[in-house]
Amino acid sequence: DVKVTQSSRYLVKRTGEKVFLECVQDMDHENMFWYRQDPGLGLRLIYFSYDVKMKEKGDIPEGYSVSREKKERFSLILESASTNQTSMYLCASSLIHSPLHFGNGTRLTVT
Amino acid sequence: EDQVTQSPEALRLQEGESSSLNCSYTVSGLRGLFWYRQDPGKGPEFLFTLYSAGEEKEKERLKATLTKKESFLHITAPKPEDSATYLCAVLVSGGSNYKLTFGKGTLLTVNP
Repeated sequence: DVKVTQSSRYLVKRTGEKVFLECVQDMDHENMFWYRQDPGLGLRLIYFSYDVKMKEKGDIPEGYSVSREKKERFSLILESASTNQTSMYLCASSLIHSPLHFGNGTRLTVT
Repeated sequence: EDQVTQSPEALRLQEGESSSLNCSYTVSGLRGLFWYRQDPGKGPEFLFTLYSAGEEKEKERLKATLTKKESFLHITAPKPEDSATYLCAVLVSGGSNYKLTFGKGTLLTVNP
């Protein structure tokens, strides 16, 4: 079974802090993704990566950056956290043109 | 613009009362459609992939079907443990290797 592991289930950060969300997958998948999920808005793609050191902006990249130094690891960085970034963050991985496999999410609260 | 619409937004059933969830899409270049189940506080769990009109997939009480414009998730004789949010997502041809559009989901509640 594919396993996608997100480092934290819950995080509380202060406005202006730099926040790192880590994600690791164990199935040698080329693609990795970061989504945020908010009530009424559904899943929105922040960034994705189709190879090491490669990244592409999704639908809502503003205020975020990513890093993929190794194939199995994809990090989401909030450069200066703001209250409107309070959300559930979901990492996923996949093979090309195949279903995404999600982690269990990180619920981030920015106060 | 690619669009994926799920209906209804919420559905309440009695245990054993069969029904269907709908996922309609307006996209160009469909490569596949995925169904997911999401429990509260957890990530979506993959259920099915459908690639072409007429295709059907089954798993326990769930059956997914696909036409050229929509997909249905049929739930036969549901149990309370089937309560969850069901998401569909459409994969389309794009410039990069992956463009996936999610619907907003249907919240299913099955009462005992």
